[in-house]
Amino acid sequence: DGGITQSPKYLFRKEGQNVTLSCEQNLNHDAMYWYRQDPGQGLRLIYYSQIVNDFQKGDIAEGYSVSREKKESFPLTVTSAQKNPTAFYLCASRSSASGDTTYNEQFFGPGTRLTVL
Amino acid sequence: DAKTTQPNSMESNEEEPVHLPCNHSTISGTDYIHWYRQLPSQGPEYVIHGLTSNVNNRMASLAIAEDRKSSTLILHRATLRDAAVYYCILRGISGGYNKLIFGAGTRLAVHP
Repeated sequence: DGGITQSPKYLFRKEGQNVTLSCEQNLNHDAMYWYRQDPGQGLRLIYYSQIVNDFQKGDIAEGYSVSREKKESFPLTVTSAQKNPTAFYLCASRSSASGDTTYNEQFFGPGTRLTVL
Repeated sequence: DAKTTQPNSMESNEEEPVHLPCNHSTISGTDYIHWYRQLPSQGPEYVIHGLTSNVNNRMASLAIAEDRKSSTLILHRATLRDAAVYYCILRGISGGYNKLIFGAGTRLAVHP
């Protein structure tokens, strides 16, 4: 089955440590996204990538970094510079082919819940 | 960026229709109206989208006002599995990419 996987599901980090969240998709999608969700809030865009080896900052990129070395993978690193990293992190992907019937849909992974101790 | 306004919460009984409203008075001519829903501790899933005309799919219907300043997501027969947070989102082109702007959404409770 095609889809998006995120690992781990739960992650605990000590203050001051960097941590990397995994996102993998086998949907052959060009575009990938990282969002952050705080309790009771909507999603906010951290970074997005429209193609391999290219990515752009979203609305709240400070304290985060990404890479896009492979089409299938878009890992997110939460650095020690992120002041309030405890949140639910969601990865998404989307087809860039206008002829694709799912062109207008973003497909989301199950999320990683990060807690800073 | 154009924003949407939704009620914080709504309730419905099982097997009754549900109408979830959304106001988007600052919508631009090129913004699509999307609806996603999110079950607890899961990622959002796509429900439906439209531009000007009403739309139907297997999950729901989307009714768009003639002036496009509001829309309504219609679940024809609510089930317990429809209990979720529903997001009304405007998808525009900003800086050359498709951008989704999530609000706080409407939390739908479905009673047996």
